[in-house]
Amino acid sequence: DTEVTQTPKHLVMGMTNKKSLKCEQHMGHRAMYWYKQKAKKPPELMFVYSYEKLSINESVPSRFSPECPNSSLLNLHLHALQPEDSALYLCASSQDRSYGYTFGSGTRLTVV
Amino acid sequence: GESVGLHLPTLSVQEGDNSIINCAYSNSASDYFIWYKQESGKGPQFIIDIRSNMDKRQGQRVTVLLNKTVKHLSLQIAATQPGDSAVYFCAENYDGATNKLIFGTGTLLAVQP
Repeated sequence: DTEVTQTPKHLVMGMTNKKSLKCEQHMGHRAMYWYKQKAKKPPELMFVYSYEKLSINESVPSRFSPECPNSSLLNLHLHALQPEDSALYLCASSQDRSYGYTFGSGTRLTVV
Repeated sequence: GESVGLHLPTLSVQEGDNSIINCAYSNSASDYFIWYKQESGKGPQFIIDIRSNMDKRQGQRVTVLLNKTVKHLSLQIAATQPGDSAVYFCAENYDGATNKLIFGTGTLLAVQP
């Protein structure tokens, strides 16, 4: 299996809702990432997990809460989001810091 | 030709021509670089990578060139096809010490039949 799988593909949520994005990989990669991508812009790094521990938080607002339950799974918990948080949320994994960064297809999030 | 404006920089080429997409990276300490292709509604797809101890690497129809002196990367696509139409991003492993992959601004490649 050489894929990163993200669910759901699309999500519409209200500003008072709580939802979660899920990401799964079975390549044995020990680093996992969340990126946010707005239209016509490059992906922006949000969080990095290395060996199931949070190693980088790029000053992301606390309404985004990452979780890494095990080496294959990565979640992003969403609460009290704003309309400007609407974007494509991408998950990625890598074997190490300089090899094999693989991206999922993303979750298209719309906050209403 | 290439244009930069309010929208994503765009490179328009004719089918069968060679394409060259350029990227300036930000950190001289970056030691690993990747080119990604992103089609509409999809995640970035790996094309080719290069480490800082190399200045050229070739794949199938693609070549990446690295010039560390001026912090510049280029992606050359030979015999460009309509299926190559997409946004292309370069990415750098930002400081060579952490898992911090940072993307450049991207170029839209439009292949005219």
